[in-house]
Amino acid sequence: GDSVTQTEGLVTLTEGLPVMLNCTYQTAYSTFLFWYVQHLNEAPKLLLKSSTDNKRTEHQGFHATLHKSSSSFHLQKSSAQLSDSALYYCALSDLGGSGNKLIFGTGTLLSVKP
Amino acid sequence: GGIITQTPKFLIGQEGQKLTLKCQQNFNHDTMYWYRQDSGKGLRLIYYSITENDLQKGDLSEGYDASREKKSSFSLTVTSAQKNEMAVFLCASSIWGGAETLYFGSGTRLTVL
Repeated sequence: GDSVTQTEGLVTLTEGLPVMLNCTYQTAYSTFLFWYVQHLNEAPKLLLKSSTDNKRTEHQGFHATLHKSSSSFHLQKSSAQLSDSALYYCALSDLGGSGNKLIFGTGTLLSVKP
Repeated sequence: GGIITQTPKFLIGQEGQKLTLKCQQNFNHDTMYWYRQDSGKGLRLIYYSITENDLQKGDLSEGYDASREKKSSFSLTVTSAQKNEMAVFLCASSIWGGAETLYFGSGTRLTVL
Protein backbone atom coordinates (compact mmCIF):
# COMPACT_ATOMS: atom_id res chain seq x y z
CA GLY A 1 0.00 0.00 0.00
CA ASP A 2 0.87 3.66 -0.07
CA SER A 3 3.27 5.04 2.51
CA VAL A 4 5.24 8.14 3.43
CA THR A 5 8.55 8.00 5.28
CA GLN A 6 10.09 10.85 7.25
CA THR A 7 13.34 9.53 8.66
CA GLU A 8 14.08 12.29 11.17
CA GLY A 9 11.89 12.58 14.21
CA LEU A 10 13.74 15.63 15.50
CA VAL A 11 15.99 18.11 13.73
CA THR A 12 17.78 20.73 15.82
CA LEU A 13 19.45 23.64 14.03
CA THR A 14 21.09 26.92 14.81
CA GLU A 15 19.38 30.00 13.38
CA GLY A 16 20.75 30.94 9.96
CA LEU A 17 21.73 27.43 8.94
CA PRO A 18 20.00 25.66 6.02
CA VAL A 19 17.04 23.38 6.60
CA MET A 20 16.45 20.06 4.89
CA LEU A 21 13.70 17.70 6.01
CA ASN A 22 13.51 14.39 4.23
CA CYS A 23 10.42 12.81 2.73
CA THR A 24 10.17 9.70 0.58
CA TYR A 25 7.06 7.88 -0.51
CA GLN A 26 5.73 4.71 -2.06
CA THR A 27 2.74 4.49 -4.36
CA ALA A 28 1.73 2.79 -7.57
CA TYR A 29 -0.40 5.74 -8.72
CA SER A 30 -0.12 9.34 -9.83
CA THR A 31 0.44 11.50 -6.82
CA PHE A 32 0.13 14.81 -5.11
CA LEU A 33 2.72 15.46 -2.39
CA PHE A 34 2.19 17.95 0.41
CA TRP A 35 4.03 19.54 3.30
CA TYR A 36 1.93 20.61 6.26
CA VAL A 37 3.29 22.63 9.20
CA GLN A 38 1.96 22.70 12.75
CA HIS A 39 3.18 25.32 15.19
CA LEU A 40 2.79 24.71 18.91
CA ASN A 41 -0.86 24.76 20.02
CA GLU A 42 -2.06 25.51 16.50
CA ALA A 43 -3.80 23.55 13.77
CA PRO A 44 -1.75 22.00 10.96
CA LYS A 45 -1.84 24.07 7.78
CA LEU A 46 -0.68 23.57 4.24
CA LEU A 47 2.82 24.83 3.48
CA LEU A 48 3.20 23.67 -0.11
CA LYS A 49 2.13 20.98 -2.55
CA SER A 50 3.13 19.57 -5.92
CA SER A 51 2.27 16.96 -8.49
CA THR A 52 4.72 18.02 -11.20
CA ASP A 53 7.91 16.03 -11.60
CA ASN A 54 11.16 17.99 -11.24
CA LYS A 55 9.46 21.35 -10.69
CA ARG A 56 10.46 23.46 -7.68
CA THR A 57 7.55 24.67 -5.56
CA GLU A 58 8.08 27.57 -3.14
CA HIS A 59 6.12 29.20 -0.35
CA GLN A 60 7.07 31.37 2.64
CA GLY A 61 10.79 30.84 2.03
CA PHE A 62 10.51 27.04 1.90
CA HIS A 63 10.85 25.01 -1.27
CA ALA A 64 10.52 21.41 -2.38
CA THR A 65 10.92 19.54 -5.66
CA LEU A 66 9.03 16.37 -6.45
CA HIS A 67 11.41 13.77 -7.89
CA LYS A 68 9.41 10.80 -9.11
CA SER A 69 12.56 8.88 -10.11
CA SER A 70 13.64 8.76 -6.46
CA SER A 71 10.15 9.05 -4.91
CA SER A 72 11.24 12.04 -2.87
CA PHE A 73 9.84 15.43 -1.85
CA HIS A 74 12.36 16.95 0.56
CA LEU A 75 11.62 20.29 2.21
CA GLN A 76 14.35 22.92 2.17
CA LYS A 77 15.02 26.45 3.29
CA SER A 78 18.23 28.38 2.84
CA SER A 79 18.34 29.97 6.29
CA ALA A 80 16.41 28.79 9.36
CA GLN A 81 14.56 31.29 11.55
CA LEU A 82 13.43 30.87 15.14
CA SER A 83 9.81 31.07 13.94
CA ASP A 84 10.35 27.98 11.77
CA SER A 85 10.33 25.81 14.90
CA ALA A 86 7.33 23.54 14.36
CA LEU A 87 6.19 20.03 13.46
CA TYR A 88 6.36 19.30 9.73
CA TYR A 89 4.35 16.58 8.06
CA CYS A 90 4.87 15.19 4.59
CA ALA A 91 1.72 13.73 3.04
CA LEU A 92 0.65 11.87 -0.06
CA SER A 93 -2.58 11.75 -1.99
CA ASP A 94 -2.66 9.12 -4.66
CA LEU A 95 -5.15 9.92 -7.35
CA GLY A 96 -5.97 6.35 -8.23
CA GLY A 97 -5.72 4.25 -5.10
CA SER A 98 -6.82 5.80 -1.83
CA GLY A 99 -9.05 8.37 -3.49
CA ASN A 100 -9.98 11.05 -1.03
CA LYS A 101 -7.52 10.04 1.66
CA LEU A 102 -4.33 11.84 2.55
CA ILE A 103 -1.58 9.62 3.97
CA PHE A 104 0.76 11.35 6.39
CA GLY A 105 4.28 10.59 7.48
CA THR A 106 5.23 10.42 11.14
CA GLY A 107 6.34 14.04 11.22
CA THR A 108 9.62 15.86 11.85
CA LEU A 109 9.93 18.27 14.73
CA LEU A 110 12.18 21.17 13.74
CA SER A 111 13.74 23.06 16.62
CA VAL A 112 15.68 26.22 15.71
CA LYS A 113 17.98 27.62 18.41
CA PRO A 114 19.53 31.10 18.60
CA GLY B 1 -12.41 32.51 4.88
CA GLY B 2 -13.84 29.74 6.96
CA ILE B 3 -13.17 28.04 10.22
CA ILE B 4 -13.30 24.59 11.75
CA THR B 5 -14.49 24.44 15.33
CA GLN B 6 -13.83 21.41 17.48
CA THR B 7 -15.54 20.89 20.83
CA PRO B 8 -14.52 20.31 23.50
CA LYS B 9 -10.86 21.38 23.44
CA PHE B 10 -10.12 19.05 26.36
CA LEU B 11 -12.06 15.89 27.12
CA ILE B 12 -11.47 13.81 30.23
CA GLY B 13 -13.18 10.46 30.60
CA GLN B 14 -13.07 7.26 32.53
CA GLU B 15 -11.85 3.98 31.09
CA GLY B 16 -14.75 2.18 29.39
CA GLN B 17 -16.77 5.36 28.96
CA LYS B 18 -18.41 6.38 25.67
CA LEU B 19 -17.18 9.81 24.61
CA THR B 20 -18.19 12.09 21.73
CA LEU B 21 -16.11 14.71 19.95
CA LYS B 22 -17.76 17.29 17.70
CA CYS B 23 -16.59 19.24 14.66
CA GLN B 24 -18.26 22.05 12.72
CA GLN B 25 -17.05 23.72 9.50
CA ASN B 26 -18.38 26.77 7.68
CA PHE B 27 -16.33 26.36 4.49
CA ASN B 28 -19.25 24.49 2.85
CA HIS B 29 -16.78 21.69 2.11
CA ASP B 30 -18.01 18.29 0.99
CA THR B 31 -15.37 16.09 2.63
CA MET B 32 -14.61 15.90 6.33
CA TYR B 33 -12.04 13.83 8.22
CA TRP B 34 -11.09 12.68 11.69
CA TYR B 35 -7.39 12.09 12.36
CA ARG B 36 -5.67 10.93 15.51
CA GLN B 37 -2.35 12.56 16.37
CA ASP B 38 0.14 10.64 18.51
CA SER B 39 3.68 11.75 19.08
CA GLY B 40 6.02 9.89 16.75
CA LYS B 41 3.19 8.26 14.84
CA GLY B 42 1.99 11.09 12.70
CA LEU B 43 -1.61 11.69 11.71
CA ARG B 44 -3.66 8.54 11.27
CA LEU B 45 -7.06 8.56 9.60
CA ILE B 46 -9.95 7.27 11.68
CA TYR B 47 -13.00 8.10 9.54
CA TYR B 48 -13.85 10.35 6.65
CA SER B 49 -17.05 11.39 4.90
CA ILE B 50 -17.43 12.64 1.34
CA THR B 51 -20.95 13.97 1.80
CA GLU B 52 -23.81 14.17 4.26
CA ASN B 53 -24.70 10.71 5.66
CA ASP B 54 -21.65 9.10 4.04
CA LEU B 55 -19.04 7.34 6.19
CA GLN B 56 -15.75 5.75 5.11
CA LYS B 57 -13.41 3.90 7.45
CA GLY B 58 -9.80 4.84 7.74
CA ASP B 59 -6.92 2.71 8.96
CA LEU B 60 -7.72 3.30 12.64
CA SER B 61 -11.51 2.96 12.78
CA GLU B 62 -11.75 0.10 15.26
CA GLY B 63 -13.12 1.36 18.57
CA TYR B 64 -14.66 4.45 16.99
CA ASP B 65 -17.98 5.43 15.40
CA ALA B 66 -18.67 8.52 13.35
CA SER B 67 -21.73 10.46 12.24
CA ARG B 68 -22.29 13.04 9.46
CA GLU B 69 -25.91 14.13 9.78
CA LYS B 70 -25.33 17.55 8.25
CA LYS B 71 -22.86 18.78 5.66
CA SER B 72 -21.35 21.17 8.18
CA SER B 73 -20.84 18.77 11.07
CA PHE B 74 -18.97 15.55 11.70
CA SER B 75 -18.84 13.83 15.09
CA LEU B 76 -16.62 11.07 16.38
CA THR B 77 -17.51 8.70 19.20
CA VAL B 78 -15.00 6.71 21.20
CA THR B 79 -17.11 3.66 21.97
CA SER B 80 -15.18 2.50 25.05
CA ALA B 81 -12.32 4.76 26.10
CA GLN B 82 -9.01 3.07 26.83
CA LYS B 83 -5.93 4.51 28.50
CA ASN B 84 -3.78 3.81 25.44
CA GLU B 85 -5.83 6.11 23.26
CA MET B 86 -4.98 9.32 24.98
CA ALA B 87 -4.15 11.56 22.04
CA VAL B 88 -5.13 14.68 20.14
CA PHE B 89 -7.99 14.22 17.69
CA LEU B 90 -7.97 16.53 14.68
CA CYS B 91 -10.93 17.26 12.45
CA ALA B 92 -10.34 18.52 8.91
CA SER B 93 -12.31 19.37 5.80
CA SER B 94 -11.61 19.82 2.10
CA ILE B 95 -13.60 20.80 -0.95
CA TRP B 96 -13.83 17.26 -2.23
CA GLY B 97 -10.70 15.38 -1.15
CA GLY B 98 -7.87 13.94 -3.18
CA ALA B 99 -5.44 16.68 -4.11
CA GLU B 100 -7.34 19.46 -2.40
CA THR B 101 -5.99 21.28 0.64
CA LEU B 102 -7.09 20.06 4.05
CA TYR B 103 -8.15 22.68 6.60
CA PHE B 104 -7.73 21.53 10.18
CA GLY B 105 -9.30 22.40 13.48
CA SER B 106 -7.17 22.98 16.56
CA GLY B 107 -7.95 19.59 18.03
CA THR B 108 -9.52 17.87 21.02
CA ARG B 109 -7.09 16.46 23.58
CA LEU B 110 -8.44 13.28 25.12
CA THR B 111 -7.32 12.09 28.54
CA VAL B 112 -8.54 8.76 29.92
CA LEU B 113 -8.30 8.19 33.66
